[in-house]
Amino acid sequence: GAGVSQSPRYKVAKRGQDVALRCDPISGHVSLFWYQQALGQGPEFLTYFQNEAQLDKSGLPSDRFFAERPEGSVSTLKIQRTQQEDSAVYLCASSLQEPGLEAFFGQGTRLTVV
Amino acid sequence: ILNVEQSPQSLHVQEGDSTNFTCSFPSSNFYALHWYRWETAKSPEALFVMTLNGDEKKKGRISATLNTKEGYSYLYIKGSQPEDSATYLCASTTSSNTGKLIFGQGTTLQVKP
Repeated sequence: GAGVSQSPRYKVAKRGQDVALRCDPISGHVSLFWYQQALGQGPEFLTYFQNEAQLDKSGLPSDRFFAERPEGSVSTLKIQRTQQEDSAVYLCASSLQEPGLEAFFGQGTRLTVV
Repeated sequence: ILNVEQSPQSLHVQEGDSTNFTCSFPSSNFYALHWYRWETAKSPEALFVMTLNGDEKKKGRISATLNTKEGYSYLYIKGSQPEDSATYLCASTTSSNTGKLIFGQGTTLQVKP
């Protein structure tokens, strides 16, 4: 596709369940970012990849959060033992350069933990 | 200013009204200021990226200005239309981390026909 694609669009998880969120960036984009947007707040940085290298993971809120981009294209954000406070929209963005001025966002995955 | 802040948090206007929002950001180590429009169930869409003090950018009825010395940006919408209803996000990046967007909490605009 032409844009950043995220799946699933919506995910309901029971507390304690593990979830995996997928991001397909724009082909050829070097940089990939994950952001978390809690209700009523702006998106907050989670982690950054340059190709397959995770250069910044300072925003990951706990060791239950793990992200990977093994081949430098598709990325997966995994949350283990989900908690209610993990409920949020998870946005993925990619940019052509490293890191570029213009980032293109996916539609996000809305995670609800019940 | 340590964080990116936007005001107002929400705004309701009538079709045809002109409106503006404010974004304040840390001026130290400034690199770029981004404006995004985020409509429900869609991806955030980039409106403007500005880097230079005094930058003014325009796209149709929407324009933005930038003051890097005092750390603020204004977004203007002239003659608001219902399709302008969305959340408008601003984000700054710093010279020490040029790709990491630091977002404000957004301004949600509702334009009534």
